[in-house]
Amino acid sequence: DAKTTQPTSMDCAEGRAANLPCNHSTISGNEYVYWYRQIHSQGPQYIIHGLKNNETNEMASLIITEDRKSSTLILPHATLRDTAVYYCIVRSNSGYALNFGKGTSLLVTP
Amino acid sequence: NAGVMQNPRHLVRRRGQEARLRCSPMKGHSHVYWYRQLPEEGLKFMVYLQKENIIDESGMPKERFSAEFPKEGPSILRIQQVVRGDSAAYFCASSTADHTGELFFGEGSRLTVL
Repeated sequence: DAKTTQPTSMDCAEGRAANLPCNHSTISGNEYVYWYRQIHSQGPQYIIHGLKNNETNEMASLIITEDRKSSTLILPHATLRDTAVYYCIVRSNSGYALNFGKGTSLLVTP
Repeated sequence: NAGVMQNPRHLVRRRGQEARLRCSPMKGHSHVYWYRQLPEEGLKFMVYLQKENIIDESGMPKERFSAEFPKEGPSILRIQQVVRGDSAAYFCASSTADHTGELFFGEGSRLTVL
């Protein structure tokens, strides 16, 4: 599976949009982009995933560039409860494991 | 609809003892994954099981660790002769289908080895 690169940490003001970038320049055609988050001491939580097209659900939006070498997770109105480590994972659907890297530690401030 | 249930949530063992961690997947899920998270580190994949079968154990330490998912009952992660380095949070996840990246995680079992 392709490797991903994310900033170590980011801050966001409560109520503003949080835009979390992820680089995956070696992604191949059959690999999906997944986003998970882990709130302190809890189990990871699935957020969203996509292949080529932008995706939106009740939690977030995922914007994937046309060349698929990078993506951005958008939390449209961040709340204090969105403070967590966010993981961008690239995975093909022929594999089994999700490989979590170090992620981005997002701090939402009042 | 209950989520993934793990127990015990906290377990304390002395060096050399055995630790057994249990995971009941979500209703309707027949695929189970185990991950380990050492203090201040990321999650590391350990093993992927379906009912009565180990599909991928590429992340399991070669010794002392084993996992099973019997036809009836929860999945079990067993650690024999625990050492201090085994102290970690162990997370179980389940899914409905093979090759899906949408996993549902439990709250974890925190093992402390004295």
